[in-house]
Amino acid sequence: EAQVTQNPRYLITVTGKKLTVTCSQNMNHEYMSWYRQDPGLGLRQIYYSMNVEVTDKGDVPEGYKVSRKEKRNFPLILESPSPNQTSLYFCASSGGGAGETQYFGPGTRLLVL
Amino acid sequence: GENVEQHPSTLSVQEGDSAVIKCTYSDSASNYFPWYKQELGKRPQLIIDIRSNVGEKKDQRIAVTLNKTAKHFSLHITETQPEDSAVYFCAASINNNNDMRFGAGTRLTVKP
Repeated sequence: EAQVTQNPRYLITVTGKKLTVTCSQNMNHEYMSWYRQDPGLGLRQIYYSMNVEVTDKGDVPEGYKVSRKEKRNFPLILESPSPNQTSLYFCASSGGGAGETQYFGPGTRLLVL
Repeated sequence: GENVEQHPSTLSVQEGDSAVIKCTYSDSASNYFPWYKQELGKRPQLIIDIRSNVGEKKDQRIAVTLNKTAKHFSLHITETQPEDSAVYFCAASINNNNDMRFGAGTRLTVKP
């Protein structure tokens, strides 16, 4: 089954404790992206990647890191989480070509205390 | 950078009526405009999209219109059904799914 998976789905952590949210897709998609969703603000793009070893900042990259060592994986790293990073995070992937449908993962709800 | 504004933030219609959600964008270089539907507790799903070389696109009860001159685009849902109830997001980008900016969302409620 074609899908985008994220882990963990729910995470409670404390300020400053490094964490990684994994994202994996099995559709051989070139393009992957991370978004955060906050009430009243819609979805905001954090980072995106157009292919292996190619990443770029989105709208709100501060406090986040990403890597794209393999085509299927695009982990999101929070080196020193802060309470303002409490949010719902979505990973997404698409073929990258014109008009390609972007598929979202199930989301990761993060609470930073 | 691109700024996308979406109105209204909430919309309530009677089943069978039409619903219209409007978005404006700021960057005239934007050329890809998708619409996503997000049901409660679920992930966003693409329902329709339009590129800047097209003025209108339809898919059954859903249509999107684009006015490049005015820099606005709209989602039209006809013959609404209770299962259309969800949050709808518009978005704009200059290059497909790269650097995509979303509107704040519209919560649509269709009353049976």
